[in-house]
Amino acid sequence: QKEVEQDPGPLSVPEGAIVSLNCTYSNSAFQYFMWYRQYSRKGPELLMYTYSSGNKEDGRFTAQVDKSSKYISLFIRDSQPSDSATYLCAHNAGNMLTFGGGTRLMVKP
Amino acid sequence: NAGVTQTPKFRILKIGQSMTLQCTQDMNHNYMYWYRQDPGMGLKLIYYSVGAGITDKGEVPNGYNVSRSTTEDFPLRLELAAPSQTSVYFCASSGTSGGYNEQFFGPGTRLTVL
Repeated sequence: QKEVEQDPGPLSVPEGAIVSLNCTYSNSAFQYFMWYRQYSRKGPELLMYTYSSGNKEDGRFTAQVDKSSKYISLFIRDSQPSDSATYLCAHNAGNMLTFGGGTRLMVKP
Repeated sequence: NAGVTQTPKFRILKIGQSMTLQCTQDMNHNYMYWYRQDPGMGLKLIYYSVGAGITDKGEVPNGYNVSRSTTEDFPLRLELAAPSQTSVYFCASSGTSGGYNEQFFGPGTRLTVL
């Protein structure tokens, strides 16, 4: 079983939709969970992180961790075409990050 | 600050050729990483370094070598290129390994081995 798994998509939504991106993870010892955003032909950049369980909100973005079900979610409200990118979830495994495979999101005007 | 820079941006190699992918960061970060990204497969860690002179293997180190003689530079060496090494290679750096370990990525090198 992979440590972090994501549905690869692509996920296509109309502008203004609420988007839900999800990951599952296998090791209940993980504490920090991150979401990286990667635009086409660019390197990933950190979008948000959460610690342990609960929600964290930043503008239109909300990151949520459910440790009981080992589920990580990223919600995007009022999605914009500029949100079209690949979203990678990750956790910190000591000296390194372990990434999911990424979900490609397309927001159509 | 330029952040993390990588050269070259693109390269085509023939099977058996060698090359070095260059990575430089100007943020005085101790931690540096090399990843490869295949379509739909996320990022796989090849090698990482916790400081000058110290390197360690990641998940997929076979066919690659690294060195870290300075804080700024972390080159990745491919000795005998194989088609399986066709990928996009990203270098990253971070100031810490703890907490959420924000890593800053370079723009990537697209490598094709024919």
